[in-house]
Amino acid sequence: DAGVIQSPRHEVTEMGQEVTLRCKPISGHNSLFWYRQTMMRGLELLIYFNNNVPIDDSGMPEDRFSAKMPNASFSTLKIQPSEPRDSAVYFCASSLGQRETQYFGPGTRLLVL
Amino acid sequence: ILNVEQSPQSLHVQEGDSTNFTCSFPSSNFYALHWYRWETAKSPEALFVMTLNGDEKKKGRISATLNTKEGYSYLYIKGSQPEDSATYLCAFASGSARQLTFGSGTQLTVLP
Repeated sequence: DAGVIQSPRHEVTEMGQEVTLRCKPISGHNSLFWYRQTMMRGLELLIYFNNNVPIDDSGMPEDRFSAKMPNASFSTLKIQPSEPRDSAVYFCASSLGQRETQYFGPGTRLLVL
Repeated sequence: ILNVEQSPQSLHVQEGDSTNFTCSFPSSNFYALHWYRWETAKSPEALFVMTLNGDEKKKGRISATLNTKEGYSYLYIKGSQPEDSATYLCAFASGSARQLTFGSGTQLTVLP
């Protein structure tokens, strides 16, 4: 299995631009998680899905952030408009169940200038 | 909000030393305890998942124990090597939780 796939691996954009991060979970996994890693807060859970349905989005910082999972093999995290404080590494992870071992993708390193 | 605490926050040891660190979690309504290894500039990788009180898991020089009654797990590294340098995260799942709660990690540096 290829593992969790994320794209792009690196993104540099200017403040105010829309940013879309993509994730393909491991086939057969029914839970998908979006995390953000920053120096100040470590690993933060932003949102997670179970069977393509958003279960908990309480970690999403503000309305500029949105996430979708249109099918079992694809999810997006969108930031519109982006701000410099959104600069971080964004990880996607998937698992067989909500409380099971999570398998992390390689992350997307986002820099907003 | 579930309280998952790891100690120490960071640790420096000499190559060849053995070391251990702790993950504390709520002792009620236990479901599972996970350990992850997170190297700099990489993504977290699962090491162990433990579900039963008294569980012991081992992977090479790394082992972990679990005490669900008192709410703690230890991770041990025997004969540390520089390549063991990483942040070690634990993650707790309760019977009623809908997802894992991660600790803030122990950052281990093994000096050659």
